Amino acid sequence: GAVVSQHPSRVICKSGTSVKIECRSLDFQATTMFWYRQFPKKSLMLMATSNEGSKATYEQGVEKDKFLINHASLTLSTLTVTSAHPEDSSFYICSARWASGSHEQYFGPGTRLTVT
Amino acid sequence: AQTVTQSQPEMSVQEAETVTLSCTYDTSESDYYLFWYKQPPSRQMILVIRQEAYKQQNATENRFSVNFQKAAKSFSLKISDSQLGDAAMYFCAYRSAQGAQKLVFGQGTRLTINP
Repeated sequence: GAVVSQHPSRVICKSGTSVKIECRSLDFQATTMFWYRQFPKKSLMLMATSNEGSKATYEQGVEKDKFLINHASLTLSTLTVTSAHPEDSSFYICSARWASGSHEQYFGPGTRLTVT
Repeated sequence: AQTVTQSQPEMSVQEAETVTLSCTYDTSESDYYLFWYKQPPSRQMILVIRQEAYKQQNATENRFSVNFQKAAKSFSLKISDSQLGDAAMYFCAYRSAQGAQKLVFGQGTRLTINP
């Protein structure tokens, strides 16, 4: 099956700093990537949808200037949490899809962000 | 907007028994997809089963099957011969066949398998 990787798997950063999370589709070209946030014991909340070469579409309530998403190639999307605060601590998951229609979304293993 | 509801926060079942997880959804669309995902302690999301709304036949994948009732907007997951490795969070999800095709997740059901 299709493989999606995320890096890093865990990151600790200090308040006020920025942190970048990478999402890569390893064996397919991802025309669309999705970024989710998951709080402990909660469901996945979609943050934004990104299509290769265009600006991301953010869900209501998600600050686009705080969560910068770049999808510069068909195999890589990045999420940058800018000026991180402790409330940004969470589990971030990406998924990727290579075409519209019935093709599945394949999920990365997630990144645990802790802001101290 | 579409919504997905899982009314069972937690379920438990004896090993080798059968368990059914409930899911209802709300949509005005006629063409869509429904999914069950499993999230074990590793937190890797794993697709368990998928159902296309236009198909009347219920999807089956080995020990996993669904009961898709389109008119009732119900999509339950049955796990037969439960195994210890089935213990996980299970999420029901909806995806439109049109537009952005975003996944809308339910709240999740934590399944415990008792040996």
